[in-house]
Amino acid sequence: QVQLQESGPGLVKPSETLSLTCTVSGGSISSYYWSWIRQPAGKGLEWIGRIYTSGSTNYNPSLKSRVTMSVDTSKNQFSLKLSSVTAADTAVYYCARVALYGDYSDIWGQGTMVTVSS
Amino acid sequence: DIQMTQSPSTLSASVGDRVTITCRASQSISSWLAWYQQKPGKAPKLLIYKASSLESGVPSRFSGSGSGTEFTLTISSLQPDDFATYYCQQYNSYSFTFGPGTKVDIK
Repeated sequence: QVQLQESGPGLVKPSETLSLTCTVSGGSISSYYWSWIRQPAGKGLEWIGRIYTSGSTNYNPSLKSRVTMSVDTSKNQFSLKLSSVTAADTAVYYCARVALYGDYSDIWGQGTMVTVSS
Repeated sequence: DIQMTQSPSTLSASVGDRVTITCRASQSISSWLAWYQQKPGKAPKLLIYKASSLESGVPSRFSGSGSGTEFTLTISSLQPDDFATYYCQQYNSYSFTFGPGTKVDIK
């Protein structure tokens, strides 16, 4: 079955760029939307955005100016970059597959903790 | 943005209890609502989509209902594995906002 695994630095300095990659295994990345969602410790979930395998993207308006998503179908991977990070960006970051017939997430990665600190 | 609220924020219940969680949207989202279960240190797990459709593999004691702005998640007979936090999510319009969560703990 399809599995997702996030990877990337666990510590990022303030004002720098957070970069994460999600590797999809057990199935093709093609013909799906893929999303990023984050969760600060002890708090709720925030949708960051989604990307289609064509490269088409939609971002949360509150983060849009700082977010870039990309996809590499040859590696079955998609990525997130969040620029100019602050402590408020400290969170567990999840990648997820968007279901075929609705914009909900039916398969999730285990999540990766990213701390923004000098 | 569409704002989502959930009530209660915490619910104490016993095994075997019938549990109902309410989710409200700040404007109509038709039936574009999903429910997730999250346990500590784990990723959310999809339970219900399109307000009332049960995800494959999810026990039938979970059910969802509602449309427009008011929705409910019901657990017909609470099991030990169900103690967790539950989130609703609207996917009618960006930015696909989540509710703040309802924690179901042991009474």
